[in-house]
Amino acid sequence: EDQVTQSPEALRLQEGESSSLNCSYTVSGLRGLFWYRQDPGKGPEFLFTLYSAGEEKEKERLKATLTKKESFLHITAPKPEDSATYLCAVQGYQKVTFGTGTKLQVIP
Amino acid sequence: DSGVTQTPKHLITATGQRVTLRCSPRSGDLSVYWYQQSLDQGLQFLIQYYNGEERAKGNILERFSAQQFPDLHSELNLSSLELGDSALYFCASSPQGGEIGGYTFGSGTRLTVV
Repeated sequence: EDQVTQSPEALRLQEGESSSLNCSYTVSGLRGLFWYRQDPGKGPEFLFTLYSAGEEKEKERLKATLTKKESFLHITAPKPEDSATYLCAVQGYQKVTFGTGTKLQVIP
Repeated sequence: DSGVTQTPKHLITATGQRVTLRCSPRSGDLSVYWYQQSLDQGLQFLIQYYNGEERAKGNILERFSAQQFPDLHSELNLSSLELGDSALYFCASSPQGGEIGGYTFGSGTRLTVV
């Protein structure tokens, strides 16, 4: 069965303090790995798709990387508006499986 | 606004009742997905429809059913409701359904069973 484990569950950063979120996965036939951002009471918002090991994607202060077993979401010099829950998901042969997310709080 | 519309936003009902959640996909998207999100669990895949036909099934209870209509909107029917069914229910859409890529999610329906 496909599994996605995200760590840490929660992360508190000072504004400007860079860090990384981890997503470990096991999947039969990885077709894609996705990162989403979810604000309280709202639906997930798509950020990135990564297809193969070694691939990297960037968007503003966010950079996603992929290896054969895990993905990292690097947050550089975060701002309070980056506070949200970040979800990782993998697409195998049959369906998309989501992790439980990392809740990020950025303090001014 | 993501383009995926879910109604109602909030729903409070009693145990044993039946409710219907509605989703209109983003314009041009043929595939609709339903997910359940509760506090202690991540997004759990329930079911996918593509152009009116059931495409994939996840951890959907027998008390739950869904359908996609010719105009591509979808409804999720939840019956014999239990307290444990209280959760956020999200609908998402994608252009085809078999492609690799991120989904567009609606803002969800918060269901509270009392």
